[in-house]
Amino acid sequence: NAGVTQTPKFRILKIGQSMTLQCAQDMNHNYMYWYRQDPGMGLKLIYYSVGAGITDKGEVPNGYNVSRSTTEDFPLRLELAAPSQTSVYFCASSHPGQTQETQYFGPGTRLLVL
Amino acid sequence: AQSVTQPDIHITVSEGASLELRCNYSYGATPYLFWYVQSPGQGLQLLLKYFSGDTLVQGIKGFEAEFKRSQSSFNLRKPSVHWSDAAEYFCAVGTSQGNTPLVFGKGTRLSVIA
Repeated sequence: NAGVTQTPKFRILKIGQSMTLQCAQDMNHNYMYWYRQDPGMGLKLIYYSVGAGITDKGEVPNGYNVSRSTTEDFPLRLELAAPSQTSVYFCASSHPGQTQETQYFGPGTRLLVL
Repeated sequence: AQSVTQPDIHITVSEGASLELRCNYSYGATPYLFWYVQSPGQGLQLLLKYFSGDTLVQGIKGFEAEFKRSQSSFNLRKPSVHWSDAAEYFCAVGTSQGNTPLVFGKGTRLSVIA
C-alpha cells in the first residue's frame, strides 16, 4: 500500500490564482480529512468527509472547497489564493470501526502565496 | 466540544535523559487519546493511542503514555531519549461519536542535545 499520497509537494501561487491539492488513499478508508499547519498553531481542520458524496466543514473552511466523488480521492480546491493561505497542508484518512479513528497522514503540500 | 492543551511549546533534553511531554484534555465522557510525532518535513506518525482498558499504553519507539482521568491528562514519557527523537509531538483527542474529527493540540517541539 502507498498509504496516503499528496501532490504537489510544493507550490508557489500568485494572489488570486487557483489550484487543486490532490489527495489519494489506497486503504479503502471511509473518512478523509484536510488540515492546515501553521507554525506554533498545530493542525486546524479545514474539511472532512465520511464517505463518497459527503463532506463537512471543519474549523477553518473559508477560502477552500472540497469534493469526494470516490472513496480514494479527496481534492482540496483554492479558488482565489490569498497570502493567509500560505501554509503546509496535510491530508489524512481513517476507517472507524477498524482503527478507532487512528488517522494516517500524507507527507504534506507546502504552499506559498505571494 | 473537546479540546487539548499542550502546555510546553519547546522542551530541550540531553541525550539519554528521561522525557515527559504534557497533554491535558477537556471532554465530558471517556475520550480517545492519541500521540503523534512529526519529524521535520514529514507528515504525522501515530506513536500510541488509548481507547479503554489499561491506562498505561505502550507505543512505538519506546514511548509510553498514561491516561489519568482525575487529572484529565495523557502525558507521554520515554525513559531514555535518543537524538533521533528530536521532532514535534502532537496530542489529540477524539470521541466515541463516530463522525467527530480529532482535535489536535498545538504541539511540543523536542530538541535533544548531546
